[in-house]
Amino acid sequence: DSGVTQTPKHLITATGQRVTLRCSPRSGDLSVYWYQQSLDQGLQFLIQYYNGEERAKGNILERFSAQQFPDLHSELNLSSLELGDSALYFCASSVRQGELNEQFFGPGTRLTVL
Amino acid sequence: GENVEQHPSTLSVQEGDSAVIKCTYSDSASNYFPWYKQELGKRPQLIIDIRSNVGEKKDQRIAVTLNKTAKHFSLHITETQPEDSAVYFCAAAIGGYQKVTFGTGTKLQVIP
Repeated sequence: DSGVTQTPKHLITATGQRVTLRCSPRSGDLSVYWYQQSLDQGLQFLIQYYNGEERAKGNILERFSAQQFPDLHSELNLSSLELGDSALYFCASSVRQGELNEQFFGPGTRLTVL
Repeated sequence: GENVEQHPSTLSVQEGDSAVIKCTYSDSASNYFPWYKQELGKRPQLIIDIRSNVGEKKDQRIAVTLNKTAKHFSLHITETQPEDSAVYFCAAAIGGYQKVTFGTGTKLQVIP
């Protein structure tokens, strides 16, 4: 167990809908990262937050948005869902930005868009 | 942006043999190179990492080498065991923002 929690574990929804994925980082970790992993694909970096502020952006679609709250948990919002958004979404956390330290991954949320 | 290429995409070895996975990166500013192991249906887990001021690092049966000039790094697993079977991802990161770019993964199968 990495100490990073993600809810829900599974999510099944329809095209055009909106969903929210939630992540709680390890205690003491200030940095949160979101990744998308499609079937048989690698990990695509979406976005990073540090202590409530967005710090780095990857291949995140405009239909997706995220935020990190004062208690450091983070939410990833996916809207106008398409079939191609079906994937495993991972959240990871690390202690600090600006240092080369390990990212700890959560168990992931599997999103299925029908 | 950073581009990380990883080869091979699949690798089958006999138990006890060695396995080597290679990655190249494009951004010379990258200074942190972690390797992750992901078992089927599970989260990626860090198995070893190397920083740009080091050329080689070893941890029991796992070693990683880095050639900054050529911008490539490799994972070496010796005396492979069936439990080493998984997908392995290399990654490159620029330390300041920890923006990590992953390779496309190598599916390693260790045949008993």
